Amino acid sequence: AQSVTQLGSHVSVSEGALVLLRCNYSSSVPPYLFWYVQYPNQGLQLLLKYTSAATLVKGINGFEAEFKKSETSFHLTKPSAHMSDAAEYFCAVSDANFGNEKLTFGTGTRLTIIP
Amino acid sequence: EAGVVQSPRYKIIEKKQPVAFWCNPISGHNTLYWYLQNLGQGPELLIRYENEEAVDDSQLPKDRFSAERLKGVDSTLKIQPAELGDSAVYLCASSLGGTLSPLHFGNGTRLTVT
Repeated sequence: AQSVTQLGSHVSVSEGALVLLRCNYSSSVPPYLFWYVQYPNQGLQLLLKYTSAATLVKGINGFEAEFKKSETSFHLTKPSAHMSDAAEYFCAVSDANFGNEKLTFGTGTRLTIIP
Repeated sequence: EAGVVQSPRYKIIEKKQPVAFWCNPISGHNTLYWYLQNLGQGPELLIRYENEEAVDDSQLPKDRFSAERLKGVDSTLKIQPAELGDSAVYLCASSLGGTLSPLHFGNGTRLTVT
């Protein structure tokens, strides 16, 4: 079975500061990894995905994530936080057999931006 | 392009009553998903359709939940009878199909059972 653990259900950063949201995965097969963002009262939107190509993945809105097999991690970062980044962020895992068809989501991290 | 449309946005019912949620996927998207999102949790897959066929309903509680996707377009998810523990957000998503096609989510239906 696959799973993801998101460390920190709430993260607060100042506007302009580095954003770091942590995700560790567990998988018995090579994983596919995803980050989704959910703005208030909206559905989820794909930020970026890792599907066994480049380990550093760039996504929308200036976010990026690095796949580190040795650490079983896929942390999400952004160099400079904007007020519009305030949202809930979900890490998800799957594998090559199922890809997007069978995602296992983490419990989410709520990001607050301090003016 | 129009996104995934779900209705209603909010629904409040008393326990033991039936309830239904409707989803209209993005035009041309053959794959449709229903997810359940409990408060403070990530989404959990309930059912996946390929066209009109339910290809993965292993996580759907079939004693009270049912779903259909007539003609392979719109879909309805029903709960009968509803229980207090069913209070959650029900998300619909669609994709072109295949393992790498991104999911497009609707805004969800927030169900409150009293």
